[in-house]
Amino acid sequence: TQLLEQSPQFLSIQEGENLTVYCNSSSVFSSLQWYRQEPGEGPVLLVTVVTGGEVKKLKRLTFQFGDARKDSSLHITAAQPGDTGLYLCAGEAAGNKLTFGGGTRVLVKP
Amino acid sequence: GAGVSQSPRYKVAKRGQDVALRCDPISGHVSLFWYQQALGQGPEFLTYFQNEAQLDKSGLPSDRFFAERPEGSVSTLKIQRTQQEDSAVYLCASSLGGPGNTIYFGEGSWLTVV
Repeated sequence: TQLLEQSPQFLSIQEGENLTVYCNSSSVFSSLQWYRQEPGEGPVLLVTVVTGGEVKKLKRLTFQFGDARKDSSLHITAAQPGDTGLYLCAGEAAGNKLTFGGGTRVLVKP
Repeated sequence: GAGVSQSPRYKVAKRGQDVALRCDPISGHVSLFWYQQALGQGPEFLTYFQNEAQLDKSGLPSDRFFAERPEGSVSTLKIQRTQQEDSAVYLCASSLGGPGNTIYFGEGSWLTVV
């Protein structure tokens, strides 16, 4: 069974602070994806990482994929209240099937 | 429509009732997925269609759960004899198919079994 564990489960910070969310897997996936989900909405794809050691940046968000393609991190610089939401990592297996982590709930207070 | 559309958005069912949840994927999308998301948790895979073929139903929790996509577009997830533990958000997603294609999620159908 392929499992993805996210940490922390919950993060509350002040506007302007930095934060990092971790995603660790017991096995290798063909790619790893990060999603953000807001209340009452479905998850929305932020980024896909494929290559071990890959780093991708999306404005204030930086995504890293571990060399062994089993772990990943999401770093947000100078967080804003609009970054509040549930952050989910997901590993992609055959047939586009996704295995999700448990999620990290981020609250950015103004 | 531009995105994945699900209906109903909210459903309250009495224990033992049957429910049907509908998903309209993005036009032209070959792959369609159903996920179940319990409160405060990440989504869990239920089943996957490629066109009308159900290629993977390994995540369906019991034989009370049944999904179909008879014409390769709209899909219905049916839950028979609902139980309280079925209370969750049911998410539908679609993609063009194949690895690397973006998966688009609907807003979900919130099911509460009382």
